[in-house]
Amino acid sequence: DVKVTQSSRYLVKRTGEKVFLECVQDMDHENMFWYRQDPGLGLRLIYFSYDVKMKEKGDIPEGYSVSREKKERFSLILESASTNQTSMYLCASSLTPAPGQGKFFGPGTRLTVL
Amino acid sequence: AQSVTQPDIHITVSEGASLELRCNYSYGATPYLFWYVQSPGQGLQLLLKYFSGDTLVQGIKGFEAEFKRSQSSFNLRKPSVHWSDAAEYFCAVGIINTGTASKLTFGTGTRLQVTL
Repeated sequence: DVKVTQSSRYLVKRTGEKVFLECVQDMDHENMFWYRQDPGLGLRLIYFSYDVKMKEKGDIPEGYSVSREKKERFSLILESASTNQTSMYLCASSLTPAPGQGKFFGPGTRLTVL
Repeated sequence: AQSVTQPDIHITVSEGASLELRCNYSYGATPYLFWYVQSPGQGLQLLLKYFSGDTLVQGIKGFEAEFKRSQSSFNLRKPSVHWSDAAEYFCAVGIINTGTASKLTFGTGTRLQVTL
């Protein structure tokens, strides 16, 4: 089975801190994604990557950046955390770009910014 | 732009009763449609998907969904709900994004509560 792991389940940070959320997948998937999940809003795509060092903005990239130096690892960076970035962050991966390809999700990181 | 609507925010059913969760989509072409389930404290798990062929698709855990093009719907059903089905359910539509990667647009979710 594909495994997508996220470095932390819960994280508490202060406003203005730089925050790194790490995601690792073990099945050599090309595509990786970062979503945030908020009540009543569902999941919204922040950034995705279709290859090493390649990235594209999703629907809500403001305030975030990403890094993909190795195929298996995709990092989400909050350069200066703000309280409105308190959320659940979900990482996902898929083998190919095909839209019918289901995505595999990690367990999520619940980030609280104080 | 594509969109997904799940009109029911919260549904409560009795264990053993049948279940139908509604999903409507808006997309200009034939969509790729998915249902995911999220148990408390967990990530999302794929239940089933549709992109061509038989409009009634079977998934894991006894779930099925029917694609109805005329109604732009992809409703999820289960004949007999178990207490362990209590979770949040997300409908999603997938598209190709400029040939680089597929994107999923999610609905806002339906939280299912099961009473014993």
